[in-house]
Amino acid sequence: GDSVTQTEGPVTVSESESLIINCTYSATSIAYPNLFWYVRYPGEGLQLLLKVITAGQKGSSRGFEATYNKETTSFHLQKASVQESDSAVYYCALGTQVVGQLTFGRGTRLQVYA
Amino acid sequence: AQTIHQWPVAEIKAVGSPLSLGCTIKGKSSPNLYWYWQATGGTLQQLFYSITVGQVESVVQLNLSASRPKDDQFILSTEKLLLSHSGFYLCAWSLMGGQDTQYFGPGTRLLVL
Repeated sequence: GDSVTQTEGPVTVSESESLIINCTYSATSIAYPNLFWYVRYPGEGLQLLLKVITAGQKGSSRGFEATYNKETTSFHLQKASVQESDSAVYYCALGTQVVGQLTFGRGTRLQVYA
Repeated sequence: AQTIHQWPVAEIKAVGSPLSLGCTIKGKSSPNLYWYWQATGGTLQQLFYSITVGQVESVVQLNLSASRPKDDQFILSTEKLLLSHSGFYLCAWSLMGGQDTQYFGPGTRLLVL
């Protein structure tokens, strides 16, 4: 079946440092799945951070970027300079052919220290 | 703007007791609706989806059931809770099926003792 593997947390970085959270996927039900990054800030619900539907394209939001790499089946999340407010749990996910079914990774908790 | 509301925010229940979790979506007609569950330390798994009122499809069997009594309402329930039902339950909606973006509610945290 489809699966998503992402960096195991917690990830701890200092403010203004760069960040990369790895995400690799295996999509058996669909050749070109849509790829997503969702984020859950403390005390809040899960919200979409960015989405890319075309292989080779890059998505960006709130200073975060992720590139859909079909060759390496990866969708790593990067940010050049993190802020304390970026502390949250980040989930990589892929959309499959099954009606509206998203396959999630386990989530990566990011803690940014001032 | 669309809003999604889940209730209750949190529950502590006894094994064998009944459960009912609710979700309402305002500002969007005929959405696709979904229930997800995440055990502590586990991944988010889709449990049910619904394309239209009165129609619900099961994705993962967890001795839970779901119903969609109204276009904007999705209910998750069971008559007898198990310890394994503990976790975080999320409701979500999308405009279409397939790979359309899903928008999530704030979730309900359930602890079964």
